[in-house]
Amino acid sequence: AQTVTQSQPEMSVQEAETVTLSCTYDTSESDYYLFWYKQPPSRQMILVIRQEAYKQQNATENRFSVNFQKAAKSFSLKISDSQLGDAAMYFCAYRSATYHSNYQLIWGAGTKLIIKP
Amino acid sequence: EPEVTQTPSHQVTQMGQEVILRCVPISNHLYFYWYRQILGQKVEFLVSFYNNEISEKSEIFDDQFSVERPDGSNFTLKIRSTKLEDSAMYFCAGQGLTEAFFGQGTRLTVV
Repeated sequence: AQTVTQSQPEMSVQEAETVTLSCTYDTSESDYYLFWYKQPPSRQMILVIRQEAYKQQNATENRFSVNFQKAAKSFSLKISDSQLGDAAMYFCAYRSATYHSNYQLIWGAGTKLIIKP
Repeated sequence: EPEVTQTPSHQVTQMGQEVILRCVPISNHLYFYWYRQILGQKVEFLVSFYNNEISEKSEIFDDQFSVERPDGSNFTLKIRSTKLEDSAMYFCAGQGLTEAFFGQGTRLTVV
C-alpha cells in the first residue's frame, strides 16, 4: 500500500523569504501523480501544484516549485518570496495513475506553515 | 470555471440523528469521492463512486454511511445515526483528467 509522509508538523518563515516543505512517499508503482494542496483557515482544499511521475522536469507555478526525486521518492515544495497569504496547512498527496486504485488520493499528515511579518 | 459545490457549509446535529451532506460535482466528471478530515488530523478517504455505484470504500465507511446520486447531479453522503466522532470536515471531490477538484467542504459538528 502507498504511504505519504510529511515529517514537519510545523514550519515558519520570514515574509519574503524562501521555505521548503518536505514530503516522502512509498510506492511500488512507476506511474503516478503527486500533489501539494493548501488548506487555509477556511479549510477549503486548494491545489497548489501537480507533478506527473513520468516527467523528469520539476513542476513550477509562479512562486511555487517542487523538487521531485523519483528514485529517492521525495517530493518537496519550495515557496519563494513567502507572503502572508501563504500561511496555511500544506498537504502532500499521492494518486496512482492506474485504474485499480480508483484514483483515490493518499494524504500526508500536513505541515502548518507560519509566515512571520 | 466549473466548480464543485457542497451544502451546507456547516451543520450541527444531535448525536443519533441522521444527516445528509450534499455535493454538486462538475458535470463531466465520472469519478466522485468523499473524504473526511477530523480536526487536526490527516484527510481520510471514505468512498469512491462511479457509474452510479460504490467502486471502493474504506474501513471508515461502515453501515452507518451511504452514498447515492439520485438525480444524476447531486451526490449525497448520508450518515444514519451520527456519533460524536463523526464530527469532521467532509469533502466531496470529482476526478478530472489529472487532479481532483474539491468542494469547499461541510463542517459537521455532532453534539
